[in-house]
Amino acid sequence: EPEVTQTPSHQVTQMGQEVILRCVPISNHLYFYWYRQILGQKVEFLVSFYNNEISEKSEIFDDQFSVERPDGSNFTLKIRSTKLEDSAMYFCASSENSIDTGELFFGEGSRLTVL
Amino acid sequence: KNQVEQSPQSLIILEGKNCTLQCNYTVSPFSNLRWYKQDTGRGPVSLTIMTFSENTKSNGRYTATLDADTKQSSLHITASQLSDSASYICVVSPVKIKAAGNKLTFGGGTRVLVKP
Repeated sequence: EPEVTQTPSHQVTQMGQEVILRCVPISNHLYFYWYRQILGQKVEFLVSFYNNEISEKSEIFDDQFSVERPDGSNFTLKIRSTKLEDSAMYFCASSENSIDTGELFFGEGSRLTVL
Repeated sequence: KNQVEQSPQSLIILEGKNCTLQCNYTVSPFSNLRWYKQDTGRGPVSLTIMTFSENTKSNGRYTATLDADTKQSSLHITASQLSDSASYICVVSPVKIKAAGNKLTFGGGTRVLVKP
């Protein structure tokens, strides 16, 4: 069964360092998303990406964050200068259709720990 | 403000028993309501998606119901198994504007523990 894959599964970094989280969405999907979940809290939307550009972003997704689809398969989230409060599980998701009708498939997540 | 509230926050049930989880939402108008299962440290996995016109949707031992008038949904787990131990998240999507991933409103989840 097709799945969304994410790497790394766990990354530990020092505050102020740059981090890149990678995702390979399901191959025929057109819509891509990043969500995060701080331990014990709700899943929060970060950004959606369609047709090679950001279509929506939340207040969390400030100038420290960026996304890129460098080739036909990868979808990356970059945090330029990590803060302690960026520690969370980051989920990539993809869907074939837009979110009002489409099934949303999540990856297993990348746990980011900022020290 | 769009909100999704779930209850209870957590519950413990014995293997083989049934349980029902509740979800109340204020998202309006809404497009669809989803239930996800999230194992600890893993990504959410879709169980059901219901549009506003559907009253019930089943996926194996999971049955979701929806009352769009009262803005309530429930997820019923029948004959629980140890593998059902997880968080169950209710997610509501409003009427589409565009590829609006941000419009998904997540509940806080109900943590279910099934004991032998």
